[in-house]
Amino acid sequence: GEDVEQSLFLSVREGDSSVINCTYTDSSSTYLYWYKQEPGAGLQLLTYIFSNMDMKQDQRLTVLLNKKDKHLSLRIADTQTGDSAIYFCAESFGSGTYKYIFGTGTRLKVLA
Amino acid sequence: DTGVSQDPRHKITKRGQNVTFRCDPISEHNRLYWYRQTLGQGPEFLTYFQNEAQLEKSRLLSDRFSAERPKGSFSTLEIQRTEQGDSAMYLCASSPGAEAFFGQGTRLTVV
Repeated sequence: GEDVEQSLFLSVREGDSSVINCTYTDSSSTYLYWYKQEPGAGLQLLTYIFSNMDMKQDQRLTVLLNKKDKHLSLRIADTQTGDSAIYFCAESFGSGTYKYIFGTGTRLKVLA
Repeated sequence: DTGVSQDPRHKITKRGQNVTFRCDPISEHNRLYWYRQTLGQGPEFLTYFQNEAQLEKSRLLSDRFSAERPKGSFSTLEIQRTEQGDSAMYLCASSPGAEAFFGQGTRLTVV
């Protein structure tokens, strides 16, 4: 079945790198995504990766995908207090619905 | 274009009342999704439209829920005879393909 898991909390110091991890069970996913959610707000798409890629870099964000282990990570370089939020990993399938299956989210707290 | 717009942002209703939410997607996005998010959880898929056709519904969408997307533009989500368990954030997203863009959500509180 479809299941996406994330650790609940991560705390880092300002200026350090953050690494948020995600594991998923369904290897037929087509795309994998990272979304950011600030309190009381909707979800902001940060980046996404096609399932046949290993890595994608976008400014301070680096996504790594290990298909063999079904593991996705998001690295945020030079983490700032404005990065404090909940980060959701999600996967979508096939060329039809592109229905997203979300993880439970990782709350990132950046300490000044 | 300012992105996906949802109305209202907040709704408080008494148990048993009907409520309707509206979503205006990004222009020319043919795909539209509704999700529900409860506290401490990730969003859960409710239903999907491609243009005006509702192509998939989750088992979470009981008979009290109905969604429409007339003319393939805005969409409405109606909940009849609301229950306390319906309290959640209802999120709408639109997409031209692989990327989905979310609105700010409608927070429903059933008292």
